[in-house]
Amino acid sequence: AQSVTQLGSHVSVSEGALVLLRCNYSSSVPPYLFWYVQYPNQGLQLLLKYTSAATLVKGINGFEAEFKKSETSFHLTKPSAHMSDAAEYFCAVSDQGTGRRALTFGSGTRLQVQP
Amino acid sequence: SAVISQKPSRDICQRGTSLTIQCQVDSQVTMMFWYRQQPGQSLTLIATANQGSEATYESGFVIDKFPISRPNLTFSTLTVSNMSPEDSSIYLCSVEEVPRTEAFFGQGTRLTVV
Repeated sequence: AQSVTQLGSHVSVSEGALVLLRCNYSSSVPPYLFWYVQYPNQGLQLLLKYTSAATLVKGINGFEAEFKKSETSFHLTKPSAHMSDAAEYFCAVSDQGTGRRALTFGSGTRLQVQP
Repeated sequence: SAVISQKPSRDICQRGTSLTIQCQVDSQVTMMFWYRQQPGQSLTLIATANQGSEATYESGFVIDKFPISRPNLTFSTLTVSNMSPEDSSIYLCSVEEVPRTEAFFGQGTRLTVV
């Protein structure tokens, strides 16, 4: 069975600082990996996805993530945080190899950006 | 990308009653899913809505409590039956169009049971 672990339920950074949100996965087959963002009282918006092409994936709003198979990680980064980045971030895995297309989500990380 | 409309966006319901949530997509999609997000929690898959056949439920979710319909490739409903305060959650519809490898989400239905 696949699973996702997000280290740190809350992360606080200063505006302009590096954002690093951690995600580790477990999957019996090569996974598809995703990062979603959820703003207050809104649905989920896809930030970026890894689907076995380039290991460094660039997404929207300046975010990027690197797939590291040896570390089973897919950490999300942004060089310089903006106040508008404050939200809940979810890492998710989809086990395409078994035909299961639904997503398994991590527990989420709430990002706070301090002025 | 698919545009998903979920109705209602929020509701306050009395315990013991039922609520039906609608999910309408602006294009035909292969896969439709229903998720639950309990307060302060992550998303948990309730079921996969199958067009023209019974939904496929995840462990811990049963059809009597969460009946799902999917009459065509653009529409699905989720009913939360015989509600209790523990059912207070956000319910989200999600779609994926094969072979695209990304899921789109509706805005969610925020349900409060009193």
